[in-house]
Amino acid sequence: QSVLTQPPSASGTPGQRVSISCSGSSSNVGSNYVYWYQHLPGTAPKLLIYRNNQRPSGVPDRFSGSKSGTSASLAISGLRSEDEADYYCAAWDDSLSGRVFGGGTKLTVL
Amino acid sequence: EVQLVESGGGLVRPGRSLRLSCAASGFTFDDYAMHWVRQAPGKGLEWVSGISWNSGSIGYADSVKGRFTISRDNAKNSLYLQMNSLRAEDTALYYCAKDTGDYYDSNGYNDYWGQGTLVTVSS
Repeated sequence: QSVLTQPPSASGTPGQRVSISCSGSSSNVGSNYVYWYQHLPGTAPKLLIYRNNQRPSGVPDRFSGSKSGTSASLAISGLRSEDEADYYCAAWDDSLSGRVFGGGTKLTVL
Repeated sequence: EVQLVESGGGLVRPGRSLRLSCAASGFTFDDYAMHWVRQAPGKGLEWVSGISWNSGSIGYADSVKGRFTISRDNAKNSLYLQMNSLRAEDTALYYCAKDTGDYYDSNGYNDYWGQGTLVTVSS
């Protein structure tokens, strides 16, 4: 059971906009930054969003992040087939004194 | 280019030990905290342990506390995870991940990851 809650799956057609939610608590999402990773199994996870809504260089502006209270979300606009991957949210947890992750959302591009 | 290469995984019987290593290059290793994160088959990512730049601050997930020990050798640009009393539920792909800060805390995050090394605990 992951500390942060994500929907197990999401889908969309090419060109569509999809959103993935991440729900936490006051000890993690509510009081710390949220990060988002894109992961293809067997490969190194890739940082997509840091500090709630910042994109590292090289990440397309089709990817955006937001946070409100104890929930956060990742939005992907102009969906492409190469976006098909697992997406994880992460945050620091003050109670656990460690990093926590969501269970991951498998994005399918139909 | 930042590179993190894990090694040391394999098949081990329950109750036995294993030591993972992570060789780092492409950045000043002793400027940054480092972490181990794992992914069990069919499951999500789970933070395992973190260590500050000078080994002065260390943390573990409750699931491994008392059994796993993280360490680093800055002279060798290497991170380690000593895993004792292994259980079937420790079976996972173990990733080494670099932090953006020198202490593992709420100010930093993991910006680079390795490709992982597989640990299978089975009799």
